[in-house]
Amino acid sequence: AQSVSQHNHHVILSEAASLELGCNYSYGGTVNLFWYVQYPGQHLQLLLKYFSGDPLVKGIKGFEAEFIKSKFSFNLRKPSVQWSDTAEYFCAVIPDNNDMRFGAGTRLTVKP
Amino acid sequence: DGGITQSPKYLFRKEGQNVTLSCEQNLNHDAMYWYRQDPGQGLRLIYYSQIVNDFQKGDIAEGYSVSREKKESFPLTVTSAQKNPTAFYLCASGTATKGEQFFGPGTRLTVL
Repeated sequence: AQSVSQHNHHVILSEAASLELGCNYSYGGTVNLFWYVQYPGQHLQLLLKYFSGDPLVKGIKGFEAEFIKSKFSFNLRKPSVQWSDTAEYFCAVIPDNNDMRFGAGTRLTVKP
Repeated sequence: DGGITQSPKYLFRKEGQNVTLSCEQNLNHDAMYWYRQDPGQGLRLIYYSQIVNDFQKGDIAEGYSVSREKKESFPLTVTSAQKNPTAFYLCASGTATKGEQFFGPGTRLTVL
């Protein structure tokens, strides 16, 4: 079945460490790509999105993601994480059929 | 103050009872969505509506029903036919097909 895969269920980092969260999808054709973040007790909110153009996308709070079409990937990165980045991160894809599909999520814990 | 409201935040019901979750948006969005979030499974689409008086089933529509009588409102009824209704329910809205979705704070439903 077509899907969105997030490779890590739980990532634990110390402050100032670099972060990369993997996201792969299995849909062909044109896709729109998103990363959402859910801070404890808060709404799901958009970190960044890719529709077309420069495959390196910059989002809020110092996050960026790179779309690699040949690898069907849209990995999320941050060079130096902070304790306040502790949250759950969801990759989402809208393929041609217009339904947004989510990965299972990655829980990030940043130790102060 | 623009946004999406969901009420109540927590809901408890006895097995066999139908329950309706509220979702209201004042963002003037045409499209609205209902998702179910379970630990380790990400968000799964229950129903969506792209225009008033029209809605479509998502991946896990069985045991749920919706209505879209007004642009601002998209209530979800969890019926007694839903085998495992205890979950966190998220409502979202968006302006266009294949675009960003904005999420409400969610309703945590517990069926006893």
